[in-house]
Amino acid sequence: EDKVVQSPLSLVVHEGDTVTLNCSYEVTNFRSLLWYKQEKKAPTFLFMLTSSGIEKKSGRLSSILDKKELFSILNITATQTGDSAVYLCAVETGGTSYGKLTFGQGTILTVHP
Amino acid sequence: DGGITQSPKYLFRKEGQNVTLSCEQNLNHDAMYWYRQDPGQGLRLIYYSQIVNDFQKGDIAEGYSVSREKKESFPLTVTSAQKNPTAFYLCAPSWARGGELFFGEGSRLTVL
Repeated sequence: EDKVVQSPLSLVVHEGDTVTLNCSYEVTNFRSLLWYKQEKKAPTFLFMLTSSGIEKKSGRLSSILDKKELFSILNITATQTGDSAVYLCAVETGGTSYGKLTFGQGTILTVHP
Repeated sequence: DGGITQSPKYLFRKEGQNVTLSCEQNLNHDAMYWYRQDPGQGLRLIYYSQIVNDFQKGDIAEGYSVSREKKESFPLTVTSAQKNPTAFYLCAPSWARGGELFFGEGSRLTVL
């Protein structure tokens, strides 16, 4: 059974702090790893990672994948209250034509002013 | 996301009633997915369809049914056989080859 585990489950920080969210996985037929942000509505896409060691960046957010150790991290620098959300990690698995996403349970990030 | 319409946004149902959630897309994507989210948990796959007139069970298909008569539409019926239907339901179209999913705004179903 495919498994995705995120840690920590929740995190409380103050504005300006840097946070690191973790995602580890045990799956068969790995295709990609994805990060989403969810704020009381549908998740919004952040990153998709397919290759080890290549950092993806978008503003204050960055992410990297380690396919040997089977984990990914999501970094947020200089956090703002608007970063408060649930961050979901998902792993896409499948053969040549179909991709199925298995989600972790999410990390609840709270950023205080 | 633009191009994906889920309705209704909120729905209340009495126990024993079937309810159908709508998902429409105009993105010309071949594949469509239904996920369920319970409070404090990630998303779990209910059903998916890669092509018109074909669909497959996901991890938690029991108590649900779907149809895919048109490329643009993938309705989900929550039947009375679903023992704990109160949840947030998310639909996502995608390319059949896989990749990132972009979700509709979701439907919150509450069973009274």
